Amino acid sequence: KNQVEQSPQSLIILEGKNCTLQCNYTVSPFSNLRWYKQDTGRGPVSLTIMTFSENTKSNGRYTATLDADTKQSSLHITASQLSDSASYICVVTSQAGTALIFGKGTTLSVSS
Amino acid sequence: NAGVMQNPRHLVRRRGQEARLRCSPMKGHSHVYWYRQLPEEGLKFMVYLQKENIIDESGMPKERFSAEFPKEGPSILRIQQVVRGDSAAYFCASSEGVSSYEQYFGPGTRLTVT
Repeated sequence: KNQVEQSPQSLIILEGKNCTLQCNYTVSPFSNLRWYKQDTGRGPVSLTIMTFSENTKSNGRYTATLDADTKQSSLHITASQLSDSASYICVVTSQAGTALIFGKGTTLSVSS
Repeated sequence: NAGVMQNPRHLVRRRGQEARLRCSPMKGHSHVYWYRQLPEEGLKFMVYLQKENIIDESGMPKERFSAEFPKEGPSILRIQQVVRGDSAAYFCASSEGVSSYEQYFGPGTRLTVT
């Protein structure tokens, strides 16, 4: 069964600190992997999208990595800000279909 | 350049009533996707439509749920005879193409069934 698992489920960090969120997936065959940020009460907003041939992609303070061999991805957030408090969702698309397969997300809380 | 629009943002229905959720994609986008997010759960794909066609409805419940994307006007997700388990946030996304293309999400419609 195609699955996307994220860890940790929740995380609390101090403003200015870095953090790394993890994503493991079993989706095969694999097309691309995306990271989204979802603020409470809002729709997800795309941060990065990577195909199987890409190892890393950055978007400002967000850097995503992908290891297609081990089926793992990470999202690194540098110099966190209060506005980074949100749910971060790992999403995988299989080659077999058009549907996105979502993880449950990691809830990040940045405190001052 | 308006993003994906959804309305209403909040919808309350009694059990047995019908719910109609609307989605206007971004300008120039002809691909629309509907997702459902239950409390404490991740988003789940429901249906993918192009203008006047349902491309993939593998995530749609077999009964009471239907979707359309007419030639003119917004995409509609229709839930007939709602039950309490239908209470969720329903998100619409649009894109220029499939698979590798970016999907842009609307703000969602929060359906509450009483």
